[in-house]
Amino acid sequence: AQSVTQLGSHVSVSEGALVLLRCNYSSSVPPYLFWYVQYPNQGLQLLLKYTSAATLVKGINGFEAEFKKSETSFHLTKPSAHMRDAAEYFCAVTWFSGGYNKLIFGAGTRLAVHP
Amino acid sequence: SQTIHQWPATLVQPVGSPLSLECTVEGTSNPNLYWYRQAAGRGLQLLFYSVGIGQISSEVPQNLSASRPQDRQFILSSKKLLLSDSGFYLCAWRLRGTSGAYEQYFGPGTRLTVT
Repeated sequence: AQSVTQLGSHVSVSEGALVLLRCNYSSSVPPYLFWYVQYPNQGLQLLLKYTSAATLVKGINGFEAEFKKSETSFHLTKPSAHMRDAAEYFCAVTWFSGGYNKLIFGAGTRLAVHP
Repeated sequence: SQTIHQWPATLVQPVGSPLSLECTVEGTSNPNLYWYRQAAGRGLQLLFYSVGIGQISSEVPQNLSASRPQDRQFILSSKKLLLSDSGFYLCAWRLRGTSGAYEQYFGPGTRLTVT
């Protein structure tokens, strides 16, 4: 069965520091992977997605993620954190079964950015 | 451009009362539609999805139901709310089709508190 594991439910960084949010997937078939961000009391917004075109994916707000098949990982990074990056981040996977109709989400990682 | 609306934005209901949450999408046709629930401190739980009018797939057995009376309208209902139904309800849409690259787009959410 396909699944997503996000290591670390809470991550805290200083403003200007590197952001690294971890995501590992389990899939028996080539996956499509997504990162979403959720600000308090709002819906989810797509940051970036992996669709097999390139292993290094650049997204909005300066975020990027690298697909590593050998490690079954899709970690999200940003070189320099801003206060506005404080939010909850979700990794998600979809696969062909059922026609890619469903996304499976990780439990989320809450990012705190302090001055 | 496409937009997704949810209402109401917030709702406080007593235990045992009925529920109706509405979601509508503008600017696209024949979308896949989804209902998720986000309980406090937890990730996203897929409740229902629909690939067409009158076609509903249920992911979690519970006292909730969903209906799709029109192509771009998705309704979440309950005859009798439970305390455990409290949470943040998110509607999402996706282009219909067998491409894993299609991301889901989320609405602003409805905060439901059952008292």
